[in-house]
Amino acid sequence: DIQMTQSPSSLSAYVGDRVTITCRSSQNIGTHLHWYQQKPGRAPNLLIYAASNLQSGVPARFTGSGSGTTFTLTISSLQREDSATYYCQQSRNTYMFTFGQGTRLEIK
Amino acid sequence: QVQLVQSGAEIKRPGASVKVSCEASAETFSDYFIHWVRQAPGQGLQWMGMINPNSGGTTYAPRFHGRFTMSRATSATTLYMELNSLRSEDTAVYYCASDPSGDGVVGFDFWGPGTLVSVSS
Repeated sequence: DIQMTQSPSSLSAYVGDRVTITCRSSQNIGTHLHWYQQKPGRAPNLLIYAASNLQSGVPARFTGSGSGTTFTLTISSLQREDSATYYCQQSRNTYMFTFGQGTRLEIK
Repeated sequence: QVQLVQSGAEIKRPGASVKVSCEASAETFSDYFIHWVRQAPGQGLQWMGMINPNSGGTTYAPRFHGRFTMSRATSATTLYMELNSLRSEDTAVYYCASDPSGDGVVGFDFWGPGTLVSVSS
């Protein structure tokens, strides 16, 4: 299986801050990497697909980058409604999709 | 866009089976695959498998192979997941999610609201 590791596991930041979350895969996955946001009690919501493509309807302050084994999700100017848990997911192995363990983002 | 409606919460005894449904809106549904993902309380997301609603073809995550079955209704717009020999560790919210590419290359773009399955004696 391809293992996905996110860092940090949690972070706290102020409104207006620039925040970066990193996701690393155990093997080269090209750009088969997606980011989701999940708020408590809600289903995950796709933010970024194929490493750097903004899903329709997602604010432009969210950007994704990376390829191979290291990827980042950046929120350029944090808003209060961005408080959530963020997950990365690989789709390189279509017989076993895997998610990172999640990064909990708190707004100070 | 695809809308996914899931069946209601279930409470089951250990050893029992549970069947959860996921009904999709018909619009463009023929182009989508459906994945099942679960989330135990306070835990992360775990992929279980996917089904092609048109062909009925399935792919299962190895750890669920043999105990987990995905199927479709005749209409193909209602999908099912069944988990047998339930144990307490199966207590989780079970989500269905749509995949417009069939191989996840553009992610899972729409998700159902989730179905809580509680397993307790």
